[in-house]
Amino acid sequence: DAGVIQSPRHEVTEMGQEVTLRCKPISGHNSLFWYRQTMMRGLELLIYFNNNVPIDDSGMPEDRFSAKMPNASFSTLKIQPSEPRDSAVYFCASSYTSYNEQFFGPGTRLTVL
Amino acid sequence: LAKTTQPISMDSYEGQEVNITCSHNNIATNDYITWYQQFPSQGPRFIIQGYKTKVTNEVASLFIPADRKSSTLSLPRVSLSDTAVYYCLVGVGSSYKLIFGSGTRLLVRP
Repeated sequence: DAGVIQSPRHEVTEMGQEVTLRCKPISGHNSLFWYRQTMMRGLELLIYFNNNVPIDDSGMPEDRFSAKMPNASFSTLKIQPSEPRDSAVYFCASSYTSYNEQFFGPGTRLTVL
Repeated sequence: LAKTTQPISMDSYEGQEVNITCSHNNIATNDYITWYQQFPSQGPRFIIQGYKTKVTNEVASLFIPADRKSSTLSLPRVSLSDTAVYYCLVGVGSSYKLIFGSGTRLLVRP
């Protein structure tokens, strides 16, 4: 398996634009997680899904953030409109269950100008 | 708000044993304690996971006291390549919210 795949790896956009981050989890994994990492706040869980259903979205900063998982092999994290304070590295991770070892993707480095 | 606490940084020398402790006084009853390693520009990578007492694998040991309010990651005989940031991850509270510790930056010197 290729591991967790994220795209794009880097994204530079201007304030106010819509940003969509994509994630393909490892086949057979039932849990998917979206994290944000910044120097100031460290690693923060934004949302996680079990069997494509959102379980905990309490980490989503505000209504500008939304996440979907239309099927077991794909998830998106959307920011609309984006703001400079959204600049961070966004990681997607998957695991067999939410209690198991998580496998992280390489991350998407987002810069909002 | 429940939180996990780790030392910000640690220094060591090659060949020494390193112990990194994470405090998680509000850990969920049924949750595991998991440790991850992260190198620059990479996602975190699983090291070890445990529920109670002691767990050992080929790279580390994890010590968990009976009250489970803390855990200690033990890296035997570290090498330069162990220089990284180490995170604990636990579920806290009745709502089982996953929280990463703030991370411990380990520097291994020759």
